[in-house]
Amino acid sequence: GAGVSQSPSNKVTEKGKDVELRCDPISGHTALYWYRQRLGQGLEFLIYFQGNSAPDKSGLPSDRFSAERTGESVSTLTIQRTQQEDSAVYLCASSLGGVLGNEQFFGPGTRLTVL
Amino acid sequence: GDSVTQMEGPVTLSEEAFLTINCTYTATGYPSLFWYVQYPGEGLQLLLKATKADDKGSNKGFEATYRKETTSFHLEKGSVQVSDSAVYFCALSGRQTGANSKLTFGKGITLSVRP
Repeated sequence: GAGVSQSPSNKVTEKGKDVELRCDPISGHTALYWYRQRLGQGLEFLIYFQGNSAPDKSGLPSDRFSAERTGESVSTLTIQRTQQEDSAVYLCASSLGGVLGNEQFFGPGTRLTVL
Repeated sequence: GDSVTQMEGPVTLSEEAFLTINCTYTATGYPSLFWYVQYPGEGLQLLLKATKADDKGSNKGFEATYRKETTSFHLEKGSVQVSDSAVYFCALSGRQTGANSKLTFGKGITLSVRP
């Protein structure tokens, strides 16, 4: 069965450029999360989508970061005017949602390097 | 806010040694607790979880007990194998739906097991 997929797996960009990262959740999973893992750090929550509800954007570090999700399918995380401190592995996770479905399944991540 | 503290690493053990990885947390209410593992070259995957006080999660010979009185969820294994070499993350989430379901992670600890 298909798990969570992310693309690209690696992205190298120059400071000041915009980047777009993609996540395909497991089919039927209503909840989708984005996390960031900087070198030597734990994972930091960025944003959460649940069905058609307004997303929880409380973890986004600045207004350069935004994310969208169409219904219960693909999500894209966009970083505008990238900075070197944005270099990290960006992980996407999905879950069934609901109290009993809190297990999150993670994608392989996108490694972003900002030169 | 919620937080998770893991013992500092890395940890290097000989095969068949006993393993303990300490994890303590700070959270409001009654969170669910998780251990996630990341094997070399693979994505993050759930190892075990516990959803209420005194619950014991177990999988692949690993165990962890939810201790509310000490706010801890230490990971143990009686006899480690080379194949257990990985990065281990302790995490918590709220037990409700919505934004509380986001995971708060510790920094992770690298375990290396030598033959």
